[in-house]
Amino acid sequence: NAGVMQNPRHLVRRRGQEARLRCSPMKGHSHVYWYRQLPEEGLKFMVYLQKENIIDESGMPKERFSAEFPKEGPSILRIQQVVRGDSAAYFCASSVGERFYGYTFGSGTRLTVV
Amino acid sequence: QKEVEQNSGPLSVPEGAIASLNCTYSDRVSQSFFWYRQYSGKSPELIMSIYSNGDKEDGRFTAQLNKASQYVSLLIRDSQPSDSATYLCAVIGGTASKLTFGTGTRLQVTL
Repeated sequence: NAGVMQNPRHLVRRRGQEARLRCSPMKGHSHVYWYRQLPEEGLKFMVYLQKENIIDESGMPKERFSAEFPKEGPSILRIQQVVRGDSAAYFCASSVGERFYGYTFGSGTRLTVV
Repeated sequence: QKEVEQNSGPLSVPEGAIASLNCTYSDRVSQSFFWYRQYSGKSPELIMSIYSNGDKEDGRFTAQLNKASQYVSLLIRDSQPSDSATYLCAVIGGTASKLTFGTGTRLQVTL
């Protein structure tokens, strides 16, 4: 049973480009969470999604960031017009349901904006 | 006041000693508490969870929770160099599903 799969592992974008990060949850999991970790900082919650629904996006920056979890396919975190400050590790996790007992993170996508 | 606070360290302990990592949280309705280990450049790995007051042991790890003091700790017995990592405390409050993390404590186990 494969774990949470994220790709790409590393992504380099020039300022102003778009970044798309993908997350495939564990088999049978319908809840996905995205976190961001800036260098030398802890993980910060960004967004919580269920299939075709955004449940909590209280941690998402108001502009340039969006997330989706379609009925079919992976969850996508999209960052438009990237800036240097977006350089970070982005981690995805999944769970079976809303109440959980500690979820497992994917290996992350390390975004570098040059 | 930060929601989850940890001493950033580094905490240095000799091999074989007990490492004690501490965490305080501000939200009194917090219900679930977790410790994650993160090696440099890697993703966080869940190592312990605790939901009720008292101690919970798993191998060399013991998690301790005191809800009255809003305090959770992790003890690592017989510390090994491979335990050298950053340890993240995480909390879920009320009916929320999102984890709130502390900034982590860096542990160094010396030979």
